[in-house]
Amino acid sequence: QQPVQSPQAVILREGEDAVINCSSSKALYSVHWYRQKHGEAPVFLMILLKGGEQKGHDKISASFNEKKQQSSLYLTASQLSYSGTYFCGTGNTGNQFYFGTGTSLTVIP
Amino acid sequence: SQTIHQWPATLVQPVGSPLSLECTVEGTSNPNLYWYRQAAGRGLQLLFYSVGIGQISSEVPQNLSASRPQDRQFILSSKKLLLSDSGFYLCAWTRGTTHLVGNTIYFGEGSWLTVV
Repeated sequence: QQPVQSPQAVILREGEDAVINCSSSKALYSVHWYRQKHGEAPVFLMILLKGGEQKGHDKISASFNEKKQQSSLYLTASQLSYSGTYFCGTGNTGNQFYFGTGTSLTVIP
Repeated sequence: SQTIHQWPATLVQPVGSPLSLECTVEGTSNPNLYWYRQAAGRGLQLLFYSVGIGQISSEVPQNLSASRPQDRQFILSSKKLLLSDSGFYLCAWTRGTTHLVGNTIYFGEGSWLTVV
């Protein structure tokens, strides 16, 4: 039931772009994206509620392809502060909330 | 506004000792409550969730148990800790609705448990 993310890890130089993918074997009713710094709790980035939706703020955006049961997170012109582990998450009608396998993102100067 | 607190923040316990982690939510009523565990460098594993007082659902068989004695209080316990129980434990909440399609999940500060 845990969504699978790819890649597992990525290293970027400042200013480069990255894409993180999230795939589920079951229907995704909604997709949430979180970023976690080491030793801290995950912080909410955004939620996508329906197929075809795209959302973004600053230089981080996401898309949700409901039919393919996938979502992607796009980081544009990456900054050092973008470093961390990114998780997608999905809730369901049974009150469970599952997170993806995680993607470690490191931005270097 | 709603807040969530969990404690203790850091814990070092010997194998075989008991465990109690506590989490409280303020500023909302009838929340859904969750306990997650994160092993070093790994993802977030859902351990327990609760939709009401005394209602606990377990996701994986394990050495841990959870209780919800009050509406906004969630406790994670163990009678005898194992080395494999070490990790980062996170309490979380969402608004209490019949489903989670549009709900955001909010986390406590986390508790580091090292079993030695």
